[in-house]
Amino acid sequence: DTAVSQTPKYLVTQMGNDKSIKCEQNLGHDTMYWYKQDSKKFLKIMFSYNNKELIINETVPNRFSPKSPDKAHLNLHINSLELGDSAVYFCASSQQGGAAEAFFGQGTRLTVV
Amino acid sequence: GENVEQHPSTLSVQEGDSAVIKCTYSDSASNYFPWYKQELGKRPQLIIDIRSNVGEKKDQRIAVTLNKTAKHFSLHITETQPEDSAVYFCAASMRNAGKSTFGDGTTLTVKP
Repeated sequence: DTAVSQTPKYLVTQMGNDKSIKCEQNLGHDTMYWYKQDSKKFLKIMFSYNNKELIINETVPNRFSPKSPDKAHLNLHINSLELGDSAVYFCASSQQGGAAEAFFGQGTRLTVV
Repeated sequence: GENVEQHPSTLSVQEGDSAVIKCTYSDSASNYFPWYKQELGKRPQLIIDIRSNVGEKKDQRIAVTLNKTAKHFSLHITETQPEDSAVYFCAASMRNAGKSTFGDGTTLTVKP
């Protein structure tokens, strides 16, 4: 009965590969997000979806493509992985388009070698 | 867009002392200000939040104050304990903004 679940928890891959991270929330929230947390612990918004529609894309490279098949799911596909993509990626969801508590998934630690 | 500044970046206190973390925001339209705690290797979790129609909110040892005029808000932790050691993030958002803008985080260390 986890509120926001994302898989996998760990992902180690070589440069140039393509990988996906999946996220699901069972809270009935209308807004879902992807955040990137780098080695300095900064939390930066990448994408925001409201009812399956992309509403925020914070100058993320085109190699990153989010997909929301329905309100409860937001997946992240990354093409041609680079060393600088190594980070922890958090999925989150909230109500009220952002003006409410964000519930985070456990995070996916991506390591590109 | 919204810009949130958070200070200090690191804070070390003795157990039992108080800790204060301060944030400023730039967009006067922001009306929701949450604080998240992230323990090592874990996800950020909400510990307290405040909306712009309130000046102060308390929950046991934790309190948040908001000054809308000056556009700053602060987290106060009293009687700190070692388990309070974590990274704390402030954030600012408004309804239908589609995101919360986070500060850069404060690493709090409580020494026993």
